[in-house]
Amino acid sequence: DQQVKQNSPSLSVQEGRISILNCDYTNSMFDYFLWYKKYPAEGPTFLISISSIKDKNEDGRFTVFLNKSAKHLSLHIVPSQPGDSAVYFCAASGIQGGSEKLVFGKGMKLTVNP
Amino acid sequence: NAGVTQTPKFQVLKTGQSMTLQCAQDMNHNSMYWYRQDPGMGLRLIYYSASEGTTDKGEVPNGYNVSRLNKREFSLRLESAAPSQTSVYFCASSHPLEDRWDLGTQYFGPGTRLLVL
Repeated sequence: DQQVKQNSPSLSVQEGRISILNCDYTNSMFDYFLWYKKYPAEGPTFLISISSIKDKNEDGRFTVFLNKSAKHLSLHIVPSQPGDSAVYFCAASGIQGGSEKLVFGKGMKLTVNP
Repeated sequence: NAGVTQTPKFQVLKTGQSMTLQCAQDMNHNSMYWYRQDPGMGLRLIYYSASEGTTDKGEVPNGYNVSRLNKREFSLRLESAAPSQTSVYFCASSHPLEDRWDLGTQYFGPGTRLLVL
């Protein structure tokens, strides 16, 4: 049973345009949501997050939107740059056993064409 | 400040061999984690350690054991490797829970690529 879903395996956009990456979750107990970026042969790096008490968080070119009623979040990258080409993982966080547990989606490969 | 380091970077094993993947962090984090990443599967939690001296199973613990040697180090052991354990393994560590909303969350190492023949 997949608790965090990224239904599109890939996305290709032109440099300068907006990239929109989507993510859905099923567990209402998640209270914190994150996006990680991963380049080949490297570990995932934290990109941006949002707590369940907010509906928007912005950091430079990156904005994450959370729609709790729909259990949906999205990452907007504006403007997209070729260096943004990577695999993006959506993750949802909950506390269990005194430790944070992250549940990851399967990832989506973003390609930004010059 | 190296963050999270992992050794080795790449390893080839034969079925039935054993090995230990090493992980260390220098951020003074309490919690540490081991994940595996397989094509089309995202990252799946194998084991985690909420604090020094404690370990717990994650989503896919079968075939693995872990040791939280001290606050810095968290190792993953494959006692009898199987081809199904061919994967990329990532170690991560995290800030205290009370800081997670301000400081972000888990920080990952560069990964260990394991091939079991």
